[in-house]
Formats: sequence, C-alpha cells, structure tokens
Amino acid sequence: AQKVTQAQTEISVVEKEDVTLDCVYETRDTTYYLFWYKQPPSGELVFLIRRNSFDEQNEISGRYSWNFQKSTSSFNFTITASQVVDSAVYFCALSEVHGSGNTGKLIFGQGTTLQVKP
Amino acid sequence: DSGVTQTPKHLITATGQRVTLRCSPRSGDLSVYWYQQSLDQGLQFLIQYYNGEERAKGNILERFSAQQFPDLHSELNLSSLELGDSALYFCASSVEGQGYNEQFFGPGTRLTVL
Repeated sequence: AQKVTQAQTEISVVEKEDVTLDCVYETRDTTYYLFWYKQPPSGELVFLIRRNSFDEQNEISGRYSWNFQKSTSSFNFTITASQVVDSAVYFCALSEVHGSGNTGKLIFGQGTTLQVKP
Repeated sequence: DSGVTQTPKHLITATGQRVTLRCSPRSGDLSVYWYQQSLDQGLQFLIQYYNGEERAKGNILERFSAQQFPDLHSELNLSSLELGDSALYFCASSVEGQGYNEQFFGPGTRLTVL
C-alpha cells in the first residue's frame, strides 16, 4: 500500500542552523513522483519541488536541497542557514503513476512543523 | 498567489446543513482536485475532475459530491453536515491531471460545523 511517513512532528531550530526534514515513502509502483509542499502560517500550500522515481540526482535551489535515495525510499529536505520565514509546516507527498491510474492523486505525509527562532 | 481561487474563505454552519464550496482553477489548467485537511486525518485526497469528467475518487463520503462545469470551475457540495466535517478544504489545479503535474493549491475554505 502507498504511504508517506514524516516521523518528525515538530522541529525547532535557531536561525542560521541547518535543518533536515525526513520523508520515507512506501509504494509498489515502479514509476512515481515525490513532492514537497510548504504550508506557512497563512495556510496556503506552496509547491516546492517535484522529483520522479528515475531521477536520483540531488537538487539544490538556493538554501533548499533535496536528497532522493531510492534504496532507502527516502526523499529528505534540507534547509541551509534557516531563517524565521522558513517557519511553516512542510509536507512530503507521493503520486503513483500506475497505482493511481496516473491521475495525480497526492498521498501526503502528516507534515513536519518547523519553527525557526530568531 | 497560485492563481487558484476558492470561495468562501470561511464558512460557519450548523449540523445537518448543506454547503457549497467553489473553486476556480488557474488559467489553462484542466484538472481540479479537492483535498480535506483536518487535525486527525491530515491532508486527504477527496476527488479529481479533468475537463468536466470525474477522474479519480478518494476518501470522499457519500454525503459529499462534486462537479466540474464547462468553464472548468468546480464545486464541492457537503450535505448533512456533522461536527467531524469541520476542516480546511483545499482545491488544487494542474494542467493535465497526471502524476507528474505540479498541483497548485488555492487558499482553502475553512469550514466550521457547530
């Protein structure tokens, strides 16, 4: 069965610290997509990144980086030199191609609340 | 701003009532998704439409229904409301409604059932 686990419920760091948010997924599908979304206190969900199951290259975007490891079914997200504005709930999500009929249905983890203190 | 609009922003109603939530997708997007976010269930997929047709169904209660109109806006109808239906309801849209498409989320409608 498909599942996304974000074991860290809450993380608190001090500004400028690096922080890694963990995401472990389960799927029997051979083709799938992984996503990260950010939900700031204002409530909307903001798309951060998409990764497909065939591309294990790490990605860096400014202070954000993502580490995809198929061998451990993980797709972890690191924020370097965290800032107060990074405080939000972060969701990891899975979209199966064959399992869902390629509908784009997203299966979300429970989310990790990140608090960055000044 | 994702380009997805949802109305109303807040809705307070009583048990047993019926409400309609409305969503307008981003310009050019053909697919609309509905998700429910609650404290106990987290973010859950409800239903997806693509170009007016139902494409996928998730954990949507029989009391809930949705449709997508020819102009591509969508409505989620919730009836016989219960206290447990209180949640944040998100609409998202994507270009083609397939697995690789990024979904862009609206600001959500917060439903409170008293």
